[in-house]
Amino acid sequence: SQQGEEDPQALSIQEGENATMNCSYKTSINNLQWYRQNSGRGLVHLILIRSNEREKHSGRLRVTLDTSKKSSSLLITASRAADTASYFCATGPAGGTSYGKLTFGQGTILTVHP
Amino acid sequence: GAVVSQHPSWVICKSGTSVKIECRSLDFQATTMFWYRQFPKQSLMLMATSNEGSKATYEQGVEKDKFLINHASLTLSTLTVTSAHPEDSSFYICSAEGIGGGREQYFGPGTRLTVT
Repeated sequence: SQQGEEDPQALSIQEGENATMNCSYKTSINNLQWYRQNSGRGLVHLILIRSNEREKHSGRLRVTLDTSKKSSSLLITASRAADTASYFCATGPAGGTSYGKLTFGQGTILTVHP
Repeated sequence: GAVVSQHPSWVICKSGTSVKIECRSLDFQATTMFWYRQFPKQSLMLMATSNEGSKATYEQGVEKDKFLINHASLTLSTLTVTSAHPEDSSFYICSAEGIGGGREQYFGPGTRLTVT
């Protein structure tokens, strides 16, 4: 079963608005990562937040992590039509140094209308 | 930055045939590579962990005799789908974990497999 569950499943907004996506997970993690995937393409790594971090910024992206609630959120500010894509959270397991064995959430399909 | 390539990017094969997909780390060495499968409009599901020089570790429910994985060098892992069936049609994505302190994971662009 999927570790991560994301909501909303789909989000439709106008250009310039902010987009917030949420991710919940069930087990202990070493880190949580967010990826973007354009239709039929590979994954683009957006940001990684470690379990001992609470918030991280990268450009127009802001990620928060609440390990007590086992949840994370991705905020994209001032969205652009080019941000239209599917967004996935992925968790790396606790108890090891490898980031590799990721468990992906179901994803949020973001559509930004120009 | 680290680049992972996959070949082919798409392939169509007939039911019953075998298909090999390559995953290469182009500018770094990867002791560990991962293979994922993604069905349309679904998330990525980890199939197996490929370790250079040793047998792959398969996730529960993944048939190791059907999905053969070979990781013969630090820059190449291959996934062979044997006796492919239409239900094997999917998007297969590999990722490679770099050697070094960060051990970041880098994803390939994916291979679209269609079995007719």
